[in-house]
Amino acid sequence: EAQVTQNPRYLITVTGKKLTVTCSQNMNHEYMSWYRQDPGLGLRQIYYSMNVEVTDKGDVPEGYKVSRKEKRNFPLILESPSPNQTSLYFCASSSLGTGGEKFFGPGTRLTVL
Amino acid sequence: GENVEQHPSTLSVQEGDSAVIKCTYSDSASNYFPWYKQELGKRPQLIIDIRSNVGEKKDQRIAVTLNKTAKHFSLHITETQPEDSAVYFCAARPYNNNAGNMLTFGGGTRLMVKP
Repeated sequence: EAQVTQNPRYLITVTGKKLTVTCSQNMNHEYMSWYRQDPGLGLRQIYYSMNVEVTDKGDVPEGYKVSRKEKRNFPLILESPSPNQTSLYFCASSSLGTGGEKFFGPGTRLTVL
Repeated sequence: GENVEQHPSTLSVQEGDSAVIKCTYSDSASNYFPWYKQELGKRPQLIIDIRSNVGEKKDQRIAVTLNKTAKHFSLHITETQPEDSAVYFCAARPYNNNAGNMLTFGGGTRLMVKP
């Protein structure tokens, strides 16, 4: 089954404690991206990757890092989380040239205390 | 960069009526316009999309229209059903060789279909 998976689905942490949210897709997609969703602000792109070892900033990259060492995985790293990073995070993937995000992961609800 | 505005933010209709959600975009170079449906607690799902070389696209009860001159596009849902209740997002992709599939999203419309 074609899918995008994320882990963990829910996470409560404290300010400053490094964390990683994993994202994996099994469709051999070149393009992967991370979004955060906040009430009233819609979906805002954090980072995207057009292929292995190719990543770039989206609209709201501050406080986040990503890596793309393998085609299927695109982890989101928060080196020193802060309360303003409390949000719902979605990973997405698609083939390049298909237009836009075709498949979203199930979401990770992060709370930073 | 691209800016997408979406209206209305909430929309309540009676079952069987039509619903229309409108979006405007700022970058005339945008050439791809998808719509996503997000049910409560679920992930966004692509429901329909349109490219700038066509003016309208239909898929059963949903349709999208695009006016490139005015830089706006709309989602039309006919014969609405309670299961259409969700938040709908429009998005636009500016043509940029270096940005791949990067999308800019509108703020969302919460559609409520009353039985």
